[in-house]
Amino acid sequence: DTGVSQNPRHKITKRGQNVTFRCDPISEHNRLYWYRQTLGQGPEFLTYFQNEAQLEKSRLLSDRFSAERPKGSFSTLEIQRTEQGDSAMYLCASSLALGYSTNEKLFFGSGTQLSVL
Amino acid sequence: RKEVEQDPGPFNVPEGATVAFNCTYSNSASQSFFWYRQDCRKEPKLLMSVYSSGNEDGRFTAQLNRASQYISLLIRDSKLSDSATYLCVVNWAYSSASKIIFGSGTRLSIRP
Repeated sequence: DTGVSQNPRHKITKRGQNVTFRCDPISEHNRLYWYRQTLGQGPEFLTYFQNEAQLEKSRLLSDRFSAERPKGSFSTLEIQRTEQGDSAMYLCASSLALGYSTNEKLFFGSGTQLSVL
Repeated sequence: RKEVEQDPGPFNVPEGATVAFNCTYSNSASQSFFWYRQDCRKEPKLLMSVYSSGNEDGRFTAQLNRASQYISLLIRDSKLSDSATYLCVVNWAYSSASKIIFGSGTRLSIRP
């Protein structure tokens, strides 16, 4: 399977714990995006990488959230001191974009469903 | 004001009907526009890009009005399989970065 892969599929944690999610993009894709989605809402932009550089981070993202893409391949999203409001589906997407092109097609993974108790 | 706004629906129409969705965006520097489809409990998938001159893909027609900052999607001869949430997506670039923003989605339900 050469699509976007996310692990784990589900994560249940207690409030205050740290969690980390992993995303493996399509291998030749240079851009990687993280989104959060709650029921009845569209995906909310969190952050994105072009290769290993994190180029944009949502102002809505608290400092408890951090993302890395150390070698420009897979990425991790960590949430520290989780809160109940962090419960959501966390989606990763990748794309192949040339230069500063905005005409890019996103391929999404199946997401990680986080439940904070 | 949200960066991308859509009527949440739901739209409940009979099979064979024509249905249209609109979407407005706030950033006039937006450069690329798309419609994605999301089935229940699945990830979003690209339906079609939206070009300035308007474009068609089978039963689907997308239009862009840059002056009024809105995008539309028309579905003709709707099928049961068209039931899904349709997400309006806008991409704008600034400096060396870009940002892809999704609307909250419009739910469509096709009844037999």
